[in-house]
Amino acid sequence: EADIYQTPRYLVIGTGKKITLECSQTMGHDKMYWYQQDPGMELHLIHYSYGVNSTEKGDLSSESTVSRIRTEHFPLTLESARPSHTSQYLCASSEWNSNQETQYFGPGTRLLVL
Amino acid sequence: AQTVTQSQPEMSVQEAETVTLSCTYDTSESDYYLFWYKQPPSRQMILVIRQEAYKQQNATENRFSVNFQKAAKSFSLKISDSQLGDAAMYFCAPKRGTSGSRLTFGEGTQLTVNP
Repeated sequence: EADIYQTPRYLVIGTGKKITLECSQTMGHDKMYWYQQDPGMELHLIHYSYGVNSTEKGDLSSESTVSRIRTEHFPLTLESARPSHTSQYLCASSEWNSNQETQYFGPGTRLLVL
Repeated sequence: AQTVTQSQPEMSVQEAETVTLSCTYDTSESDYYLFWYKQPPSRQMILVIRQEAYKQQNATENRFSVNFQKAAKSFSLKISDSQLGDAAMYFCAPKRGTSGSRLTFGEGTQLTVNP
């Protein structure tokens, strides 16, 4: 079973605050991803990383930023939270097995910005 | 570019019966993979089953199986002997076969299992 963790699981915060969503994995995976998902809707990729010091923006424009200083850690930061940032954020890491890649997801962080 | 369509926003099934969730996709790639993910109310995404496009044999994982029709670009998921724990949102996701490429997720199908 994949070991990928996200904290906090739930966060309620006021507008203008700076927040960091944590994501860590203990599997040694090089590739990690951040997705944004509104309830019952499809997932949208907002950031990804292929390894240490490698980060790219995803398909959905996002005001968040990410960093990848260590393989196991891929935090996402919002410098100034707004109500439009209210959503669920899912972190994932992936591995290659039998010549294919599978993504494993964390439990998600539900963010509410008031 | 890849697109994926799940035309059934909601499905329901009686416990112990069989249900099929549909998925169609479009891709210009010749080498790709297909996945079904399950997202229960806990919101964690769980891999259900995966299929290599170059394989003709349909993948099977216990009560879960797929009907992969490559020419039609169809990738349906069949759940046999449905259980209450199968209730979740199910996402179909194709992915290019090259290293480092990303999953493309469909809109999802919300499955309800009635006791």
